[in-house]
Amino acid sequence: DVKVTQSSRYLVKRTGEKVFLECVQDMDHENMFWYRQDPGLGLRLIYFSYDVKMKEKGDIPEGYSVSREKKERFSLILESASTNQTSMYLCASRADRPGGYTFGSGTRLTVV
Amino acid sequence: AQTVTQSQPEMSVQEAETVTLSCTYDTSESDYYLFWYKQPPSRQMILVIRQEAYKQQNATENRFSVNFQKAAKSFSLKISDSQLGDAAMYFCAYRSTTSGTYKYIFGTGTRLKVLA
Repeated sequence: DVKVTQSSRYLVKRTGEKVFLECVQDMDHENMFWYRQDPGLGLRLIYFSYDVKMKEKGDIPEGYSVSREKKERFSLILESASTNQTSMYLCASRADRPGGYTFGSGTRLTVV
Repeated sequence: AQTVTQSQPEMSVQEAETVTLSCTYDTSESDYYLFWYKQPPSRQMILVIRQEAYKQQNATENRFSVNFQKAAKSFSLKISDSQLGDAAMYFCAYRSTTSGTYKYIFGTGTRLKVLA
């Protein structure tokens, strides 16, 4: 069964901390994505990557960075966490052909 | 820029009945993909159904079907014989076919409640 695995289901961090959210996929997909999900706003794209070491800004990249050193792993980094980054974070991957996303189970991050 | 609108924040349906979730989108492109995703309380988003814009025939997956009206830019999801397990958030999504465009655009979601 193909999988996208997010390392943490729940995280609580303090304001100003550096936070790493990890995502690993086992499908050899080229494309990986980080979204945040907020009530009433749907899913908003933070960053995506279409190849190793390649990254593109999404719609709301401010306050975030990403790293993709290996094809299977795509990390989201909050350089200095703030309370307005409290949210659900969803990772997804997709092969480089027409088709839908495969999503991870999400990480609910609370910044206090 | 493309947009996706889901105007129903919440819907309810009686078990075994049929419900239709609405989605409209705006685009100047002629070819694209449309999707419906389901997010149950477990949070894992699951692809429900997919439609290619160049296909006139509406997609169907078991109890799930779409009504794709390209001219009206409408893409509604019909769930027949609703079951308790259908209770979830449902997201409509758009994806361009333009080379180099990798991202999806999602609507704000519709929460579906199924009443026993």
